[in-house]
Amino acid sequence: GAVVSQHPSRVICKSGTSVKIECRSLDFQATTMFWYRQFPKQSLMLMATSNEGSKATYEQGVEKDKFLINHASLTLSTLTVTSAHPEDSSFYICSATGGVFLNEQFFGPGTRLTVL
Amino acid sequence: GESVGLHLPTLSVQEGDNSIINCAYSNSASDYFIWYKQESGKGPQFIIDIRSNMDKRQGQRVTVLLNKTVKHLSLQIAATQPGDSAVYFCAEKGNSSTLTFGKGTMLLVSP
Repeated sequence: GAVVSQHPSRVICKSGTSVKIECRSLDFQATTMFWYRQFPKQSLMLMATSNEGSKATYEQGVEKDKFLINHASLTLSTLTVTSAHPEDSSFYICSATGGVFLNEQFFGPGTRLTVL
Repeated sequence: GESVGLHLPTLSVQEGDNSIINCAYSNSASDYFIWYKQESGKGPQFIIDIRSNMDKRQGQRVTVLLNKTVKHLSLQIAATQPGDSAVYFCAEKGNSSTLTFGKGTMLLVSP
């Protein structure tokens, strides 16, 4: 299968700061990337769908001005959590699909965000 | 924000037993289903998938059963090993490209 990486793997920040998380497809061109959030002992909740070169589509209840998504190239999408607060502390996971892997989503290893 | 006090359904088995993890899905229009394994602090890992035109699919030590009549999916793991301990999620996909994940089941395998 294809490989998706995320950076950083974990980040701790102060309340009010912004944090950027990168998601990269390492060996295929990802026309679509997805961002999920997962709280402890809960399932993955889709936040937004990002298509390369266009604006992201956000799920209901997800603030697009707070969670900025950029998918400027076929191998990179970024999620910026702006003005982070403790309630934004979560595990953020991206997945990617595209090319010969059009019907499959490959998941990154996740980023643990802790906001103090 | 985070919710406290939530507990994942847990299945505890002995090493060597067969495990069956169940999932009820919600959308009768879903036509593609996937089982994922998630170890602590990691992203989901693909295990096996099945399309709605099938009712059974087998992989290495794993079998997925689909019952569309009652919208039920199950994952059977044969000869469960301690390395199988993880949280297992089913996911469904309909006409859109997005996946909807089930609540998850924690599998604990004791030696």
